[in-house]
This record gives sequence, structure tokens and C-alpha cells, in this order.
Amino acid sequence: QKEVEQDPGPLSVPEGAIVSLNCTYSNSAFQYFMWYRQYSRKGPELLMYTYSSGNKEDGRFTAQVDKSSKYISLFIRDSQPSDSATYLCAMTDFGNEKLTFGTGTRLTIIP
Amino acid sequence: DSGVTQTPKHLITATGQRVTLRCSPRSGDLSVYWYQQSLDQGLQFLIQYYNGEERAKGNILERFSAQQFPDLHSELNLSSLELGDSALYFCASSAEGGRGEKLFFGSGTQLSVL
Repeated sequence: QKEVEQDPGPLSVPEGAIVSLNCTYSNSAFQYFMWYRQYSRKGPELLMYTYSSGNKEDGRFTAQVDKSSKYISLFIRDSQPSDSATYLCAMTDFGNEKLTFGTGTRLTIIP
Repeated sequence: DSGVTQTPKHLITATGQRVTLRCSPRSGDLSVYWYQQSLDQGLQFLIQYYNGEERAKGNILERFSAQQFPDLHSELNLSSLELGDSALYFCASSAEGGRGEKLFFGSGTQLSVL
């Protein structure tokens, strides 16, 4: 079993919809949680970064972490065609620089 | 543009061969990370260097090696290549070698082993 599980999709939603992306993990030592967006043939780019449990909002994006359930989510409001990409969750424990990534969810926003 | 430069963008080679992938980090960044991305395994951490020294090691095969030079650029050497080594190899850099925050990825080198 992988340390981080992420539904690969693909996920297709109409423009303007709310998108929910999720990851579960097994390592209770993980403290730092990130969401990356990866466009085709490009490197991942950091979208959201959170520490421990709680919510963080940045524009149309909201990241949630529930450490008790070992579950993290990314919500995208008012989704746009430009949000079409693969979304990767990533996490690491305290003092450990290496990130453990989910396999990514491919998202398509339909105009 | 993340500011991280990787060359070459594409590499096609045969089994048993050796290749070198090159990475130039963002100006001022001291840490360089190497990741391998394949369809079935996703992004896997290989190795990290900080200011010329190895800082952390992940699932890097013994056939693979890396180094970071005094000018902070890094090279990933892959030898005795196998079909399964075909993947996208990413380099990333960060200023402090912290916990993943402000990690900037290059556009990757697509390696095809035939």
C-alpha cells in the first residue's frame, strides 16, 4: 500500500463548478501538506502549503487538512478552463525535506 | 517560468547506456532535488543536495548518482539503463532546503530507453 493515495481520475466538471480533490495518507508523522498543479509537459508548481490541521484559503483555492482522519482536500471554486491540469498532493514530516507525492488527479474543466 | 533550467528536454537512448541530466537551480537557491515521475509510480524523490553536500536520499538506484558543483548546478547520472528507467526526471530547487515550501520545479527531462 502506498503512503499517499490519490484518486487518479480523470475528473471532468463544467466551468463554474466547485471541484473537490482529495488524498489520504498512512504516515501519522506527516506535518506539512502541499498541493501542486502540473500542466502537460511542465513541472509541478506549488499551489497551497499548509502546516498541521486546519484550513487555508487563497483566492479560489481552499486547502483542508484533517490529521485525525489522515485526509487532505483541495477545493477549487468557480472553476475555469485554465484550471485543467493534474493536481498532486504532497506531504512531508518534520525535519524531512523529501516530499511524498500522490499519483495525481487529472482534472478537466469543460467550457 | 520557474527559473529552474533542465537540459536536455528529451533524451532517447538504448539499454545499457549511460546518460547525464543537468540542472541549473534558480539564482540564489542552495538546494537541488531530483525526482522521477512515471505513470505507475507518480513523482518519486531521488536525492537532495544542499550547497554541494548530499542532504537526503530517497528511492535512488545504485546505478544512479548525482552531484552538485560549486556553481550550484547539479547533474544526475544514470548508468546501465533499463527499459524501466524511462520516465520524466525533474529537478527542483529551493532557497533553504526546508520542508517543501517554495520548491520550484524545472520542466523536466523526458528519458526514453529503447
